[in-house]
Amino acid sequence: QKEVEQNSGPLSVPEGAIASLNCTYSDRGSQSFFWYRQYSGKSPELIMSIYSNGDKEDGRFTAQLNKASQYVSLLIRDSQPSDSATYLCAVKYDTDKLIFGTGTRLQVFP
Amino acid sequence: ETGVTQTPRHLVMGMTNKKSLKCEQHLGHNAMYWYKQSAKKPLELMFVYNFKEQTENNSVPSRFSPECPNSSHLFLHLHTLQPEDSALYLCASSQGVTSGQETQYFGPGTRLLVL
Repeated sequence: QKEVEQNSGPLSVPEGAIASLNCTYSDRGSQSFFWYRQYSGKSPELIMSIYSNGDKEDGRFTAQLNKASQYVSLLIRDSQPSDSATYLCAVKYDTDKLIFGTGTRLQVFP
Repeated sequence: ETGVTQTPRHLVMGMTNKKSLKCEQHLGHNAMYWYKQSAKKPLELMFVYNFKEQTENNSVPSRFSPECPNSSHLFLHLHTLQPEDSALYLCASSQGVTSGQETQYFGPGTRLLVL
């Protein structure tokens, strides 16, 4: 059973702080990893994808991947109230299937 | 907007009704997906179509019947549903089976309530 684990939260951080979201996965053969953001009542939207070990930065977002530890994380710098949402970690296995975690709810307070 | 549209956005149906959900993608993609999202549960993959061919049926009950007439359109036909089928149904598309790095883009979803 392939699984993706996330802490459901909520993770509460003050405005301007760094929010750190974590995800572990069970399939060691997974090669593609994605972070989606989902606002309440809306559909998931892609924030970051990462395929290689290390860090990948895009604006205020940094994705980190450690395949040896089967761990992927998302850092959000200078967190804003508009970042308050549920963040979904997704791991691709086979060639066309994504397994999603349950998501971590992030709350950024002013 | 991601280029993936879904209709209707909201649907209320009785257990004896028959209805269909529609998804259309304007991205030139070759793969389309149906997901179910229930409260407190992760997104569940239901069906995958690559180049109009169904490549995945994730043990979905037969009361859900997908149809993919072409690479741009995907339907989910519903009949004799149960109240526990109430959920957000999401359609997604991707370029298709190539390098394994394809990103999936989601439509806005259909919020389904079965009474």
